[in-house]
Amino acid sequence: ETGVTQTPRHLVMGMTNKKSLKCEQHLGHNAMYWYKQSAKKPLELMFVYSLEERVENNSVPSRFSPECPNSSHLFLHLHTLQPEDSALYLCASSQDRGTGRTGELFFGEGSRLTVL
Amino acid sequence: KQEVTQIPAALSVPEGENLVLNCSFTDSAIYNLQWFRQDPGKGLTSLLLIQSSQREQTSGRLNASLDKSSGRSTLYIAASQPGDSATYLCAVYYGGSQGNLIFGKGTKLSVKP
Repeated sequence: ETGVTQTPRHLVMGMTNKKSLKCEQHLGHNAMYWYKQSAKKPLELMFVYSLEERVENNSVPSRFSPECPNSSHLFLHLHTLQPEDSALYLCASSQDRGTGRTGELFFGEGSRLTVL
Repeated sequence: KQEVTQIPAALSVPEGENLVLNCSFTDSAIYNLQWFRQDPGKGLTSLLLIQSSQREQTSGRLNASLDKSSGRSTLYIAASQPGDSATYLCAVYYGGSQGNLIFGKGTKLSVKP
């Protein structure tokens, strides 16, 4: 496996379900991110983990809960989502250059989420 | 407010043409700028990264330029091919919050055989 891999690629869930998205990076990077891509809107940063600690939470609703058990794995736990949460969720990684500055980002293929 | 604009939103060209995609940003104090390609329903593929101190970067048939003073970057694609058809995204990083790239909405390119 190389690069950034995301599972599942497609997910359909009801508003009362609990599900999780998984991301794994094989690039030896020390920072990982969750982005949301909705139709006709620019990509939005949701969460940042650097050295396994959450650095940024861009006012994301609590129904989205990230988890980063180590520098290679990132999860996004989903609970009681709304139909407007339907989107493509993208995971990315980069090498933090020690000053908190972001290097080149590498993205996974994304998880297409549909909330019914 | 820091914004990134990409014009045009869509572009259709015949195969073999050279083309330029445009990206403009409102705040010139950038740290770096990255161009991505996105195929339908897929993730983003990094094409080129330009640091604020650089004027251009090249990879194969792709050349990206950066003019900070005017708040612009261009992605030049030489001898376009149908396989180049995709959405091209420009993202600017201002060096503030880690990972907080400001993305444009993209230019959807269609190269006709």
